[in-house]
Amino acid sequence: AQKVTQAQTEISVVEKEDVTLDCVYETRDTTYYLFWYKQPPSGELVFLIRRNSFDEQNEISGRYSWNFQKSTSSFNFTITASQVVDSAVYFCALSQGGSEKLVFGKGMKLTVNP
Amino acid sequence: EAQVTQNPRYLITVTGKKLTVTCSQNMNHEYMSWYRQDPGLGLRQIYYSMNVEVTDKGDVPEGYKVSRKEKRNFPLILESPSPNQTSLYFCASSRYRGSKDYGYTFGSGTRLTVV
Repeated sequence: AQKVTQAQTEISVVEKEDVTLDCVYETRDTTYYLFWYKQPPSGELVFLIRRNSFDEQNEISGRYSWNFQKSTSSFNFTITASQVVDSAVYFCALSQGGSEKLVFGKGMKLTVNP
Repeated sequence: EAQVTQNPRYLITVTGKKLTVTCSQNMNHEYMSWYRQDPGLGLRQIYYSMNVEVTDKGDVPEGYKVSRKEKRNFPLILESPSPNQTSLYFCASSRYRGSKDYGYTFGSGTRLTVV
């Protein structure tokens, strides 16, 4: 069975701090995809990144970076120099081969205070 | 603008009164899905479709029906809504797995209250 664990449920930081959101996944498949989504207070779900199981390259996009490590089954997300606009709930999700059952973690609420 | 459009955004209804939440995408995506989001339970998949006339159950399909007669539309039907179906619902769509554009785009959500 597939499972996504986001151990942190809520984090509060002060603006300009760096923050890392942890994501640990479980799957028996060798082919799978991992995602991060952002849900701001307005409620919509915004796609941030997709990674497939064959691509362990880390990725940086502006202040956002992602560290994918198959050895520890983790796909962590770091926000550098956080801003108030980063305040949101962040979800990690897993999709394994053979179906389109996208399994989400429970989400992590990030509050960035000015 | 590429988007997934859900309607209505908000709906209050009474137990047992059939309702349909519509979902339409303009990106020619093969895959479409419905999710519900509940406090403490997170996002759970209700149904998904990998193409026209191909649908399958997700993790919480009880009390819901779907159809995929056209590629762009994937309505969610509640034949006899009950209060435990009060939730925030999301529709999502994606290109096929393996494409460079694979990754789900979500609609803005439908907040349903069943009294």
